[in-house]
This record gives sequence, C-alpha cells and structure tokens, in this order.
Amino acid sequence: DTGVSQNPRHKITKRGQNVTFRCDPISEHNRLYWYRQTLGQGPEFLTYFQNEAQLEKSRLLSDRFSAERPKGSFSTLEIQRTEQGDSAMYLCASSLIAGAIEQFFGPGTRLTVL
Amino acid sequence: GQNIDQPTEMTATEGAIVQINCTYQTSGFNGLFWYQQHAGEAPTFLSYNVLDGLEEKGRFSSFLSRSKGYSYLLLKELQMKDSASYLCAVSRRSGGYQKVTFGIGTKLQVIP
Repeated sequence: DTGVSQNPRHKITKRGQNVTFRCDPISEHNRLYWYRQTLGQGPEFLTYFQNEAQLEKSRLLSDRFSAERPKGSFSTLEIQRTEQGDSAMYLCASSLIAGAIEQFFGPGTRLTVL
Repeated sequence: GQNIDQPTEMTATEGAIVQINCTYQTSGFNGLFWYQQHAGEAPTFLSYNVLDGLEEKGRFSSFLSRSKGYSYLLLKELQMKDSASYLCAVSRRSGGYQKVTFGIGTKLQVIP
C-alpha cells in the first residue's frame, strides 16, 4: 500500500454512460497525475495537477474527459458518454515537488465499457 | 517526441541473473526510472538514475548511460515472485515540471 487510494477499484458501465473516479493522494504530496493503461502497454500520461492547478493535459484527453482537484487534495476524473475504447485501467499517482520525484501509484480503477 | 524501447518479453530461470535493457530518445532528459508491476496491480518504484553509472539496491541494480540513451535493470538471484512487468520510464523537463513517459514494459517470466 503506497498511501494513494482510488475508488472505485472496478467499474462496469454501458456505452454512453458517464463515470467518475476518485483519487486520494498521499496527504503532503502536491503533485497528482492521472494515467491510463491498457493491456500490454505502459501507463500513458493523461493529466497533471500541481496543488489545485491543472498544468498539462495530454492530447489523449478528449473533450469527453475532465479532471479536477478543487482543494488541492483529492482529484476526480470524469468520462462522459463512455465508449468501448475507454476500457482500461486508470491510474493515479502523486509526488512531492521538492526532493525525490518518485511517483507513488494508487491501485487503479479498472473500467469496462460494455 | 520521444521513443522508449524495451523488449516485450523475457524468460529466466530461478536463481539466475537477468538484464532488461531500455533505450530512449528524448529532449530535456532528467533521469530514468524503473518500476515493477505485477499483473493487475499498480507500478511500484524500483530505481531512479540521474547520473551515468551503476546503482545497486539489494538484488536489483540499474545502470544509465546518458550519452548512449541506454539503461538496464539487472536482477540477481531471481525468485519466482520477480515474475512481473518491468517498466522503463524517462523523466524530462516539460513546461517547468518533470514529465514521466513510460515504455510498454518487459514482461519477465521466472521459471523453476
């Protein structure tokens, strides 16, 4: 257990539905990252927060995806009008600005879109 | 852009030594991570190399050559529990922060 938690751990939804995932980073970590990982691939960067500011979004993050970190603590990732291609593991990671830049990963949310 | 290459699969025998190679091309290189990921689980940190050379940490060692864009992860005295994917990840400067890009991972199978 790295101290990063994600909920839910698994989500099955029908195509066209909206889903929202939550990430609680390690409390003193001011950086928070979202990644997507499909089978046989490494994690792909989606977006990054420093405190409450969203500083970068990947072009992988279409208009259907939105992420927030309203108080600089937990973060949510919402996918609207889900598609089968959205099926993947969504990983959250956190790190400190200063010192070691190791990213600590949460257990992930596995999304299956039927 | 950037490119990270590592073998997709490797097999090694329990008790042996295995070396997993990673080559990369990127601008603004800062350092290179190795993560271990067991099936269905999140990646866990193994090492981070910034300077050239070998860093040893127990049974695991990681090497970096910045001039060659090359790294390897060395696993000694292999155990069955070492069967996992090993992700090479490059850290680079992007817009004032450190952006980490992962390779596809090398799936290592340790056999008796």
